[in-house]
Formats: sequence, structure tokens, C-alpha cells
Amino acid sequence: QKEVEQNSGPLSVPEGAIASLNCTYSDRGSQSFFWYRQYSGKSPELIMSIYSNGDKEDGRFTAQLNKASQYVSLLIRDSQPSDSATYLCAAWRGNTDKLIFGTGTRLQVFP
Amino acid sequence: SQTIHQWPATLVQPVGSPLSLECTVEGTSNPNLYWYRQAAGRGLQLLFYSVGIGQISSEVPQNLSASRPQDRQFILSSKKLLLSDSGFYLCAWSDIRGDGYTFGSGTRLTVV
Repeated sequence: QKEVEQNSGPLSVPEGAIASLNCTYSDRGSQSFFWYRQYSGKSPELIMSIYSNGDKEDGRFTAQLNKASQYVSLLIRDSQPSDSATYLCAAWRGNTDKLIFGTGTRLQVFP
Repeated sequence: SQTIHQWPATLVQPVGSPLSLECTVEGTSNPNLYWYRQAAGRGLQLLFYSVGIGQISSEVPQNLSASRPQDRQFILSSKKLLLSDSGFYLCAWSDIRGDGYTFGSGTRLTVV
């Protein structure tokens, strides 16, 4: 079992719809979780962090965390073609200095 | 504010040649530093990380090595490149354990 798992996609949504990206993790010691956006050929960019159970909103993005279910999600409201990218979920591995990444979900937003 | 510099942006090297990629961070002290590799269409593979000068942890046995000669400088090296070393190399830093990384712009290495 991978430490951080994501569906590779692609996830295709029409412009203006809500995109829902999901991630599960296996290390119950993980306390910090992150979503990165990576455009093709570019480096990952941190877009959301979440540390507590519940929802965290930032503009069109909402991160959700459920530690009991070991589940993290990212909602993108009013999706735009410019949101088309690969989204990487990441979790800090317990009491270490390492961030563990999932393999990413490719999102395609079509006009 | 903190910035991370990584160079070169692209590199084409013949098999068997040496490699040196450099990463520097500005605006912070004693950062944690990381080297990742991303093969085409694949996820991020952690290669090395460092929590201080001269302290290097290797995640994957391979023909690569890393060094941290100064607090904010992290170098990835190889004595002899293999075709399988091709990929997108990313340097990253973090200030605090548990905080998100910031990535450099990456080096796309093609070994021919």
C-alpha cells in the first residue's frame, strides 16, 4: 500500500463546475497535509495546507480533512480551464522531516 | 521574503559524464533541503534530504550523491550519468517540520 494514494485521472469537468479531488493516506501519525498544483513542465506550487479535521477555504479552493477515515480532499469551485493541471496530495510522515507525495490526479477543465 | 534558486533549467549530458546541480535558498537560515526527481509522467521520488550542513540522508541507493557545503546550498552530483538518470530534478526547502515545501523551478536533465 502506498503511503499517499490518489486516482491518476484524468478527471474531466466542464468550466464552471466543481472539481473534487481525493486522497487517502496510511500513516496515522501524519498531522499536516498539503495540496500542490503542477502545470505541465513546471514545478509544483503549494496551493492549500490543512492541519485539523474539517474544512478550510481559500478563494475557490476548499480542503477537507478527515483523520478518522485518513482522507483528504480538495474542492475547486467554478473550475476554469486555467485550473487544468496535475494536483498532488502530500502528507508529512509522522515524526520525520519528510513530506510524502501521491502520484497526482490530472484535472482537465473543458470550456 | 524567501526565494529558492535552482540551475541550470535544462541540461543535456552524454552517458558517463559527470553531473552537478546546484540549489540555493535566500531569506532564511538552517532550512531543511530536499532533492526530488520526477520521471516523465511519474510521481515525485525523494532522493536526498538535509537538516543541516554536512547532514545528508539518502532515500534511494543510486549513482547520485548530495552535499550541503553551506547552510543554504544543496548540491546534487554524479560521477557517471546513466540513461535512467534522465528526469526533472527539483530542489525544495522547508522552514519548520510539518510545514509545506517550496520548490525551485527545476532542472530538466536528458542523458543521451
